[in-house]
Amino acid sequence: AQSVAQPEDQVNVAEGNPLTVKCTYSVSGNPYLFWYVQYPNRGLQFLLKYITGDNLVKGSYGFEAEFNKSQTSFHLKKPSALVSDSALYFCAGRGYQKVTFGTGTKLQVIP
Amino acid sequence: NAGVTQTPKFQVLKTGQSMTLQCAQDMNHNSMYWYRQDPGMGLRLIYYSASEGTTDKGEVPNGYNVSRLNKREFSLRLESAAPSQTSVYFCASSEDPGAARSYNSPLHFGNGTRLTVT
Repeated sequence: AQSVAQPEDQVNVAEGNPLTVKCTYSVSGNPYLFWYVQYPNRGLQFLLKYITGDNLVKGSYGFEAEFNKSQTSFHLKKPSALVSDSALYFCAGRGYQKVTFGTGTKLQVIP
Repeated sequence: NAGVTQTPKFQVLKTGQSMTLQCAQDMNHNSMYWYRQDPGMGLRLIYYSASEGTTDKGEVPNGYNVSRLNKREFSLRLESAAPSQTSVYFCASSEDPGAARSYNSPLHFGNGTRLTVT
C-alpha cells in the first residue's frame, strides 16, 4: 500500500520570499513521487518527479523538490515566490497502475 | 497537440438522470483514468484502464461504469445520478509502465467536467 500526505491545507508566503510546500510519503519499495499544480478551472499539470538517486529535483517554472529518505519527505520548494505561483499543489505517489494523490495545499503568494 | 480532451465542461442533472462523460487523448497512451475531485479530499480514483479492452475499479467505483471504446477514448457513465456525485471529474492518461515496471511517467489531465446533481 502507498500513501502520501500533505499536512498543510494552505501556505501563505510573501512575494519574493522562498516557499516550501510539504509532502510525506509511505510506500513499500522504491518511491515514485510527483508534484502537480492546479490553476482555477483547469486540470492538474505536471511539475516534476523524483528520480532515483537525486535528492534535489528541478522542474518547471523554477520549482524544485527535495527528497529525504530518512524523513520520507518530498517537499516542493522555490527560492523566490511569484504572485502567479498562487494555485493548488498536489503531491502524488505512483505504484502499479495506480496513482495516489495528497489532499492538496493551497499556496497563496501575497504581493 | 490537444492532449486530453473532456466533454462537456459543465453539466447539471436531476437526481435519477443518466449521462456519459467523454474523454479522448491523442498521445497514444495505453493507460487512462477517471478521478473525482472534492474539496478537502484531493483526487480519488474511480476507474482506470491499463489498456484497450481492460478496465478496473479504483477507490470509489460505486454508481459509475466505464467503457474503453478504443485506445483514444475512455468514457464514464452515471446510470442514475445522485447528489453525492456532485463533483469535478477529471480524465487522465499516461504512458504504460511496461515490462520494466517503471512508474516515472506522469499523468496528463483534461480540464475537467463540473457536474452538479440536484
